[in-house]
Amino acid sequence: KNQVEQSPQSLIILEGKNCTLQCNYTVSPFSNLRWYKQDTGRGPVSLTIMTFSENTKSNGRYTATLDADTKQSSLHITASQLSDSASYICVVGGSWGKFQFGAGTQVVVTP
Amino acid sequence: ETGVTQTPRHLVMGMTNKKSLKCEQHLGHNAMYWYKQSAKKPLELMFVYSLEERVENNSVPSRFSPECPNSSHLFLHLHTLQPEDSALYLCASSQSEGSYEQYFGPGTRLTVT
Repeated sequence: KNQVEQSPQSLIILEGKNCTLQCNYTVSPFSNLRWYKQDTGRGPVSLTIMTFSENTKSNGRYTATLDADTKQSSLHITASQLSDSASYICVVGGSWGKFQFGAGTQVVVTP
Repeated sequence: ETGVTQTPRHLVMGMTNKKSLKCEQHLGHNAMYWYKQSAKKPLELMFVYSLEERVENNSVPSRFSPECPNSSHLFLHLHTLQPEDSALYLCASSQSEGSYEQYFGPGTRLTVT
């Protein structure tokens, strides 16, 4: 069983609307959590990185939250744009050098 | 651009062919990685190199053979592949093995016929 579960698997939203993606993990010990954006035909690009002591981090219209107690993270996209259409991948870092990847959430923003 | 380039971007090969994927990073990093990305599955770590030395090999079949001649270049040599090996192969680099931040290349879309 994957130690990083993302939901939903995919979603479609209207341009200008907000959405929230979820990431639940069981990785232990926990070191850090990253959200990546992967455009079609491209490699993942980092959006945010959070360590144990951080519970929120923003990057423009992207805001990530982390609850290390419940082992949950979310990525909130505000005022979505067509360019936000992509796969969003949650990556959890455990013991030194070990990372677990989620399967990603495919987001489609429609006009 | 992330500073990590991969060639070719697309590759179609038969099961009896031999081909190589190339990755180059211009970031001065010391660690490089090969990942396999299949549809709707998490990225699978294949190999990790730190200072040109292989430090991890995640039970990858021997038909995949990595090579790291220096800290800027990484190759993945392919031979006798199977159709299920069709996937996006991503190269990444980081400052050192275990660094939080990995920088990914655009990937090579491999189709095995």
